[in-house]
Amino acid sequence: DIQMTQSPSSVSASVGDRVTISCRASQDISTWVAWYQQKSGKAPQLLIYAASTLQSGVPSRFSGSGSGTEFTLTISSLQPEDFATYYCQQATGFPPALTFGGGTTVEIK
Amino acid sequence: QVQLVQSGAEVKKPGASVRVSCKTSGYTFNTYALNWVRQAPGQGLEWLGWISSHSGGTQIPQKFHDRVTMTRDTSTSTVYMELKMLRSDDTAVYYCARDQGVRGVYHPSSFDYWGQGTPVIVSS
Repeated sequence: DIQMTQSPSSVSASVGDRVTISCRASQDISTWVAWYQQKSGKAPQLLIYAASTLQSGVPSRFSGSGSGTEFTLTISSLQPEDFATYYCQQATGFPPALTFGGGTTVEIK
Repeated sequence: QVQLVQSGAEVKKPGASVRVSCKTSGYTFNTYALNWVRQAPGQGLEWLGWISSHSGGTQIPQKFHDRVTMTRDTSTSTVYMELKMLRSDDTAVYYCARDQGVRGVYHPSSFDYWGQGTPVIVSS
């Protein structure tokens, strides 16, 4: 199975900071990456799909980039409601094997 | 609006089976596949598989192939996930999630709507 390695596992940041989260795939997955935000006790919410497409209703301060094996989620100006855990996810291969990264927790500095 | 409403919490003994339901509404059921994802306490997300709402066909990873069954009832727009031979490490919150279908009708992709989650506790 393709492994997704996220870094860092946690980051401390302040409101207004720019935050970047990375995800590395163990093999080429083109642009088949999605990013989710999960708050404590809640289901994940889709932020970005196909590496860089913003999901409807998601604020434009979220953006995604990358292709192949290196992917990035960027929050341009951190807001109080953005403190949460973020996961990358890939879906490639046949038979399909869908895997998530280990998660990155964004904490208040 | 799109809603996925899951069945309630379950407590099971090791070796038993559990069936979780996910009732959908607010969209045409046959046009989107559904996925199941679980999250153990304090851990990350793990994919359990995908079911086509149209055909009933499933894609289940090898790790769960002999223990997980997914079915759907088109008359009630509901999908079901059954996990057999439960072990203590199956204790988790189980989510259903609608597939966006951006990779076509035969391949899971990304998940745009999620159920509220169903806690399953396995304990003797």
